[in-house]
Amino acid sequence: GAGVSQSPSNKVTEKGKDVELRCDPISGHTALYWYRQSLGQGLEFLIYFQGNSAPDKSGLPSDRFSAERTGGSVSTLTIQRTQQEDSAVYLCASSLLPGQGAYFGPGTRLLVL
Amino acid sequence: DQQVKQNSPSLSVQEGRISILNCDYTNSMFDYFLWYKKYPAEGPTFLISISSIKDKNEDGRFTVFLNKSAKHLSLHIVPSQPGDSAVYFCAAYRLSSGTYKYIFGTGTRLKVLA
Repeated sequence: GAGVSQSPSNKVTEKGKDVELRCDPISGHTALYWYRQSLGQGLEFLIYFQGNSAPDKSGLPSDRFSAERTGGSVSTLTIQRTQQEDSAVYLCASSLLPGQGAYFGPGTRLLVL
Repeated sequence: DQQVKQNSPSLSVQEGRISILNCDYTNSMFDYFLWYKKYPAEGPTFLISISSIKDKNEDGRFTVFLNKSAKHLSLHIVPSQPGDSAVYFCAAYRLSSGTYKYIFGTGTRLKVLA
């Protein structure tokens, strides 16, 4: 498929464990975004990549959250020492150019017990 | 501080009628506004966008209207179809801010009744 893919689709983890979420954007898309949606909430911005650099990390909730992007393509979002409040759907999106309508992946549903 | 607000959590419309989804914003510096549709267990799908220099953009059954003086935008779906039943999010961003993060509203759940 040519869309944005994310893995895993679901992740259940214990409080205190680290998790790594992966995003494969649409080929050639230079801009990549991570959002999360908690139960009953809107989409909350986490981080934006242009190429491999992240001009805007302002949405990362704490220093337990980090993200990287390599080769201008795949991105990973890492959450260290997970907490129950980290439970949410983590969505990745990409766009050909910054600011264009971004295409979202199906999300990773994270549940921290 | 919620910069983008969707004050109606849900809306029900009869098939064939017009659906009007509303969105208000507080930041007059937003340059672009977008609407996304989201089905359960799927990521949001981009529908339509509008630049702040325009007041209307149309794409098939979907039209977005922007009223800058009122800081209000709306999405009109005509005619509404059962397949339009989904959660609709409006979003906005500023080009000049150096980032392209979208600020999303909390969504409106549309149900189109057959």
